[in-house]
Amino acid sequence: KQEVTQIPAALSVPEGENLVLNCSFTDSAIYNLQWFRQDPGKGLTSLLLIQSSQREQTSGRLNASLDKSSGRSTLYIAASQPGDSATYLCAVHSGGGADGLTFGKGTHLIIQP
Amino acid sequence: NAGVTQTPKFQVLKTGQSMTLQCAQDMNHEYMSWYRQDPGMGLRLIHYSVGAGITDQGEVPNGYNVSRSTTEDFPLRLLSAAPSQTSVYFCASQRWDDQETQYFGPGTRLLVL
Repeated sequence: KQEVTQIPAALSVPEGENLVLNCSFTDSAIYNLQWFRQDPGKGLTSLLLIQSSQREQTSGRLNASLDKSSGRSTLYIAASQPGDSATYLCAVHSGGGADGLTFGKGTHLIIQP
Repeated sequence: NAGVTQTPKFQVLKTGQSMTLQCAQDMNHEYMSWYRQDPGMGLRLIHYSVGAGITDQGEVPNGYNVSRSTTEDFPLRLLSAAPSQTSVYFCASQRWDDQETQYFGPGTRLLVL
């Protein structure tokens, strides 16, 4: 059974810092990996999707990497801003394709002004 | 496009009551799914559907029923609510292609007393 772990569970940094969120998964047979953002009381917003054949994806100040063989992904946030404060979720799409996503428990990020 | 919509936003039930959580999408996505999110547990897949007339169980299906009579709608039914079903419920949809991201609704917060 696929298991997804996110470290750290919570992170607080001053505005302007670059930071890295980590995600690990136990079964490397994946179709893709997604990073989501969730604001308090809201739904999930997809940030980046990395296919199993890709090594990284970039969107603005966000860069996500994937090392499938080692079961790891990182989300890099450059020049953090208070508006980046949210919970970041890593999710893996594996199995037979219809099995849905397996989520980590998330990293709660606070950017101090 | 409205994307994925869910109603109601919040509901309080008494133990033993039944209710239906509504989910609709206007993107003509084949794949739809329901997740529940509990503190410290992450999101877990309840049921999913790969098209009208086809549904299947996810990781935590007990106590929930689904049906898919149209491409647009995927309601989740609680036949006899229990306090253990207190949670936030998210509906998601995806074009039936492993390369695509999933789109999530805003969630329904359910409290069972």
